[in-house]
This record gives sequence, structure tokens and C-alpha cells, in this order.
Amino acid sequence: ETGVTQSPTHLIKTRGQQVTLRCSSQSGHNTVSWYQQALGQGPQFIFQYYREEENGRGNFPPRFSGLQFPNYSSELNVNALELDDSALYLCASSLEGPTSEQFFGPGTRLTVL
Amino acid sequence: GIQVEQSPPDLILQEGANSTLRCNFSDSVNNLQWFHQNPWGQLINLFYIPSGTKQNGRLSATTVATERYSLLYISSSQTTDSGVYFCATNNYGQNFVFGPGTRLSVLP
Repeated sequence: ETGVTQSPTHLIKTRGQQVTLRCSSQSGHNTVSWYQQALGQGPQFIFQYYREEENGRGNFPPRFSGLQFPNYSSELNVNALELDDSALYLCASSLEGPTSEQFFGPGTRLTVL
Repeated sequence: GIQVEQSPPDLILQEGANSTLRCNFSDSVNNLQWFHQNPWGQLINLFYIPSGTKQNGRLSATTVATERYSLLYISSSQTTDSGVYFCATNNYGQNFVFGPGTRLSVLP
């Protein structure tokens, strides 16, 4: 059974650019959630996709957007990058819906210069 | 939404000591998980425990949902237990919320 994978591992961008992060969910899981973790803080919920539909969103601006594909993999897109977007971005998958156990990928560390 | 608090914020132990980490939450929950974040940022699942008691080796956890708290016990701590421990929780229709974490340092 393959766990949650994320790509790329590290990424460096400049302010104003756009970035796409990718996540493959654990086999059999239909729910994917994205989190942003700034240095020294706990992860903050960005949004969740359940069976290809957005199913909840945290307090993040519209320049944070996402997709879930028929195979339940997912993308996180961030437009007009700001310095404060520098963080560890974590993806989690769960078997069925928002209250089932979540399993996290290794994360993508984004640095915005 | 649900508010999550964790205590203590920092904990330093000698190898072999026992410890108890606490998580308080402000509302009823359908999901509560404990995680260990390693130095590379990976969140390792420790327990899925919306209620009751579970044990896994040197670790055990108890959630008393009616009193809105959960405890994580670490016995005979090892240096590899060092890192940040998070609890996180949600209820139907609400976002999964993490606490601020407890940073554990186990000294040899």
C-alpha cells in the first residue's frame, strides 16, 4: 500500500510568481486536504476536496486554489506569491470524508524570495 | 470553530523518564488524532482516538470526550521521541484544527 506522496520536495520562487504543488493520495482514499505550516506553528487548514468537490475552506485568500482529479490526486495552486507564503505545505488523505483518520505526506517546502 | 490548546508548550526529559501531554478542545468532536512531527517535517500518525483509550508500545492515549480533553502518555522516553507532538480534531462540517504543539526534547 503506497502512502501519501507530494512533489516537489523543495521549491524556490520569487514574489509575484505562481506555483503548483502536487499530492497523490493513499490508495483507496477519496478525500484530500491541504495545510500550510509556517515555521514554529501548527499546520493551518487551507481546503479539502471530497470526491472531486471542494468540501471546506480555511481562512485563505482566493489566490489559493485547488483541484482534485478522478484518481483522487490533487493540486494546490498559489498565484501572486507573497513572502509570507513561505512555509511547509502538507497534504493529507483520508478514506472517507472529513472526520476519518488523516494520513500526511512528507510536505513541500516553499521559499518565496 | 473548535479551539485546541496543548500543554506544556515545551518539555525536556532525561532518557528513560515518563511524560504526559495534554490536549484540551472547546467542542464535541468526531475525530481526534495525535501526531509526532519529526525534524524533517513529516507528521507521523500516533493515534486516532475520538474517545476511549489506546496503547501502542511505549505510547498510550486517552480521550475523555465528555470533558473535552485528551492525554498522550510516553513511557521510558528515548532520544528518538524528540520532536513536536500535535493533537488535531474536528467535528462534522468543521475544519480539522491543530493545536500549537508540545516540543519534546529527550536528553541522553
